[in-house]
Amino acid sequence: RKEVEQDPGPFNVPEGATVAFNCTYSNSASQSFFWYRQDCRKEPKLLMSVYSSGNEDGRFTAQLNRASQYISLLIRDSKLSDSATYLCVVNLGNQFYFGTGTSLTVIP
Amino acid sequence: DAGVIQSPRHEVTEMGQEVTLRCKPISGHDYLFWYRQTMMRGLELLIYFNNNVPIDDSGMPEDRFSAKMPNASFSTLKIQPSEPRDSAVYFCASSLLVTSGGALAQYFGPGTRLTVL
Repeated sequence: RKEVEQDPGPFNVPEGATVAFNCTYSNSASQSFFWYRQDCRKEPKLLMSVYSSGNEDGRFTAQLNRASQYISLLIRDSKLSDSATYLCVVNLGNQFYFGTGTSLTVIP
Repeated sequence: DAGVIQSPRHEVTEMGQEVTLRCKPISGHDYLFWYRQTMMRGLELLIYFNNNVPIDDSGMPEDRFSAKMPNASFSTLKIQPSEPRDSAVYFCASSLLVTSGGALAQYFGPGTRLTVL
């Protein structure tokens, strides 16, 4: 079983829509959680950390559900510039486990 | 801060040649990671260092791969001899802190796109 699993998509949504991604992790002892964004032919860039109480950054909301072992990312009022691949990352001890990414395309 | 710096950005070489990839982490970060990304396998951790010491190299695919970190501001990943299946994007990332309570986020360099013919 993979440490981190994501729905690869693709998600194709119209501009202005709300879209949500989930990411499940297998080890209940996992400690830190992150969402990264990767544009085509670019490096992954930190989008936001995920805190236990949930956190929001503008149009982006991240949630952690330890009981069900998943993290989520909600994007409101999608913009064309949100089109990218979104990677979830789970930290356990000295290890970082990356999901394979969820592809999002926002359509005009 | 300039962020993580990698060189070269692109490398095209022939099978059997030695390839050396370079990385300068963000100043003050004490963790450095080397990753490889392909369409088929996604992002794979190859090796990481803490305070210049290799901690986990279990992701290094085989003996043809080696990595060094002679000081806090420089690391190399070497492939000798290179093979076509090594073609991928190689990312270096650095992080400030990893503790028993969890880790701070990693910051990635722009990557080296390696093509082995």
